[in-house]
Amino acid sequence: DQQVKQNSPSLSVQEGRISILNCDYTNSMFDYFLWYKKYPAEGPTFLISISSIKDKNEDGRFTVFLNKSAKHLSLHIVPSQPGDSAVYFCAARQGAQKLVFGQGTRLTINP
Amino acid sequence: DVKVTQSSRYLVKRTGEKVFLECVQDMDHENMFWYRQDPGLGLRLIYFSYDVKMKEKGDIPEGYSVSREKKERFSLILESASTNQTSMYLCASRPGQELFGYTFGSGTRLTVV
Repeated sequence: DQQVKQNSPSLSVQEGRISILNCDYTNSMFDYFLWYKKYPAEGPTFLISISSIKDKNEDGRFTVFLNKSAKHLSLHIVPSQPGDSAVYFCAARQGAQKLVFGQGTRLTINP
Repeated sequence: DVKVTQSSRYLVKRTGEKVFLECVQDMDHENMFWYRQDPGLGLRLIYFSYDVKMKEKGDIPEGYSVSREKKERFSLILESASTNQTSMYLCASRPGQELFGYTFGSGTRLTVV
């Protein structure tokens, strides 16, 4: 059973516009949520995180929003740049040792 | 530059073969992880280790085993490879108490024929 779901396999956005990537989860015991970015032929790299007690965290062009009642989080990228084209994974912490990942969303930024 | 190194980028093995995937980290991290990445399923945890000679099952351990004889090395073993184990395998490491400090290797694409 998929506890972390990214229902959009792909997303295409114009350069300079906002990219919004979505993630839903089912386990209310998750205490941290993270976003990872993955380029082809490379391992995922950490992008941004949010604690379950917060509703927003911002880092430069990247903002993550958490809606606990809806069990939903989203990653906003503003403005989108060509180098943002990658696969983005949502992940949630389960216990001290374990991250549960979503299926990933392939973001393509068009010039 | 700190890193996690996976010994092979691409690997092709036959059904029934015993397969070893090797991972080495140079950051003195206590924790090491093996994930597999499949389209539509994301990254799924196979096994992890929080210390030398210690191991814990992840979400999909069936058909796999692991070995951690030294702190820097974590091996994933497919005892008898099957076609449904064709996948991208990612190794990661993380310091003991950090939440966000996962460092991933570049992955090994394994094809079982």
